[in-house]
Amino acid sequence: GAVVSQHPSRVICKSGTSVKIECRSLDFQATTMFWYRQFPKKSLMLMATSNEGSKATYEQGVEKDKFLINHASLTLSTLTVTSAHPEDSSFYICSAPTGTSYEQYFGPGTRLTVT
Amino acid sequence: SQQGEEDPQALSIQEGENATMNCSYKTSINNLQWYRQNSGRGLVHLILIRSNEREKHSGRLRVTLDTSKKSSSLLITASRAADTASYFCATDQGFDMRFGAGTRLTVKP
Repeated sequence: GAVVSQHPSRVICKSGTSVKIECRSLDFQATTMFWYRQFPKKSLMLMATSNEGSKATYEQGVEKDKFLINHASLTLSTLTVTSAHPEDSSFYICSAPTGTSYEQYFGPGTRLTVT
Repeated sequence: SQQGEEDPQALSIQEGENATMNCSYKTSINNLQWYRQNSGRGLVHLILIRSNEREKHSGRLRVTLDTSKKSSSLLITASRAADTASYFCATDQGFDMRFGAGTRLTVKP
């Protein structure tokens, strides 16, 4: 079945640095991908919708300059957390609809820890 | 990989009927969550049930959790056409979340 990968699976970085997270659809093309974050013991929160070839659509309250999203190809979307702070520590997960059905596939997630 | 597995993959019912979707998982969990997704949109959180809870209600939604069977069910009562969407369960294992592939629910008016 369709698979979505994320890289890295875990990352630890220092405050002030930037971290890039990749989301790839492995055997299908995804014109749209979704980025979520999850705080401990909380539900997922949709951050933005990544659109291939155009600007991402951000949810209310999500800082566009803080969380840069680039959907450079039909199989790759990247989320860059810029000037990371400890409060950015979270679990980030992406998902992609296959486009041919109503199925949605999720990446395994990236655990970001900012020290 | 997908931890939760929803069953059925697709469900079609008439407006007013009840819809039941099931989710099974394999490892111990802290909580289990149900989400819905309208076509082409992101996930919307519906309900969270903790591992020490057996049943939870929210409006027309009823969720049960059986940790001995590692399964959960989502019941939508008195369904409406607007309930047409994909429904996903997600298991929270403390460090990561795992999603199933979802159940596509179609409610016919």
